[in-house]
Amino acid sequence: EAGVVQSPRYKIIEKKQPVAFWCNPISGHNTLYWYLQNLGQGPELLIRYENEEAVDDSQLPKDRFSAERLKGVDSTLKIQPAELGDSAVYLCASSAGGAGGNEQFFGPGTRLTVL
Amino acid sequence: QKEVEQDPGPLSVPEGAIVSLNCTYSNSAFQYFMWYRQYSRKGPELLMYTYSSGNKEDGRFTAQVDKSSKYISLFIRDSQPSDSATYLCAIRNAGNMLTFGGGTRLMVKP
Repeated sequence: EAGVVQSPRYKIIEKKQPVAFWCNPISGHNTLYWYLQNLGQGPELLIRYENEEAVDDSQLPKDRFSAERLKGVDSTLKIQPAELGDSAVYLCASSAGGAGGNEQFFGPGTRLTVL
Repeated sequence: QKEVEQDPGPLSVPEGAIVSLNCTYSNSAFQYFMWYRQYSRKGPELLMYTYSSGNKEDGRFTAQVDKSSKYISLFIRDSQPSDSATYLCAIRNAGNMLTFGGGTRLMVKP
């Protein structure tokens, strides 16, 4: 079974440029999470989706970050414009929920460098 | 104060040593206690989780929770170079929301 897929794996952009990250969760997983992981820190939740609905986006900086999960499967996280402090790893995770269990499976992440 | 505190290390041990990794947490409402392992340039993967105070063993790994002191530990017996990674403790609440510690980087030298 394929795991959580993320692309791109690495992205280097200049500040003030836009950037987008894509996530394909494990097939059948209804819940999708985006996390931010700074160097030497643990992941911090940005947003959680239950199917198409964003049920927790309290930690998402809405002035520059946006996310969508069309059709309740793939998801895209966007930053516009990017700032130097946005350099980090952006992790996507998914879980089945319900009888399928609550374990969160993580993708390899997208490492963003803002110059 | 962060909700979950973890010594960042790095922790360097010789192969075969017993490793002890620890976290403290502040919120008594947390219900599940997890340990994740993260290799360089990979996502975290779940190693073990426990629900109640006490010990849980899985092969060379033992997770221990002391709810009275809000302290969780992971012990690795007969450590191997392949155990070299960052170990993240995480606490999960009833809504399946995870709060992670900062991670401890472990290096096991042959």
